[in-house]
Amino acid sequence: AQTVTQSQPEMSVQEAETVTLSCTYDTSESDYYLFWYKQPPSRQMILVIRQEAYKQQNATENRFSVNFQKAAKSFSLKISDSQLGDAAMYFCAYLIYNQGGKLIFGQGTELSVKP
Amino acid sequence: GAGVSQSPSNKVTEKGKDVELRCDPISGHTALYWYRQSLGQGLEFLIYFQGNSAPDKSGLPSDRFSAERTGGSVSTLTIQRTQQEDSAVYLCASSGRGFNQPQHFGDGTRLSIL
Repeated sequence: AQTVTQSQPEMSVQEAETVTLSCTYDTSESDYYLFWYKQPPSRQMILVIRQEAYKQQNATENRFSVNFQKAAKSFSLKISDSQLGDAAMYFCAYLIYNQGGKLIFGQGTELSVKP
Repeated sequence: GAGVSQSPSNKVTEKGKDVELRCDPISGHTALYWYRQSLGQGLEFLIYFQGNSAPDKSGLPSDRFSAERTGGSVSTLTIQRTQQEDSAVYLCASSGRGFNQPQHFGDGTRLSIL
């Protein structure tokens, strides 16, 4: 079965500090994409960062970066200089290239940011 | 431009009733997805439309669930004879052609079955 595991249901970080959210996945496919989405209380899913599995270089988007370990099937998200607006549910997901566009999501990590 | 629009925002209905949820994708997006998010859970894939191709219905949980996409744009998800376990947030997303195109999500419809 194709699964995504986020082992941290809740995380907390002090404002301006750095936090890392973990994610592991299970697939036998070689061509896939990995994503981190943010879901604030408004419910809308917002794409934070994405990584193509064939790329060895870790993706970065401003304060957000990933640590992609393909052999270990690990895809963690690092948030630097955390801001109050970063507080949300964070979902890790992947998409298999030859299986259409459906995203397979983890259970989510709720991040709180303390002022 | 406008994002993905879903209606209604909230829907409360009695067990056994049929419901229709609507999704207006971003103009020009060829792909449209429906997901379900139960309380405290991640998103569960339901169905996927790409252009004029046959939809991928592999995620629909039962034959009470169906969806259509008219004219390659607006989509309607229909749940017949609703059950309490159908209570969830139903999210729609759309994307451009190509699997590397990001999916843009709507705000979802919160469905509550009494």
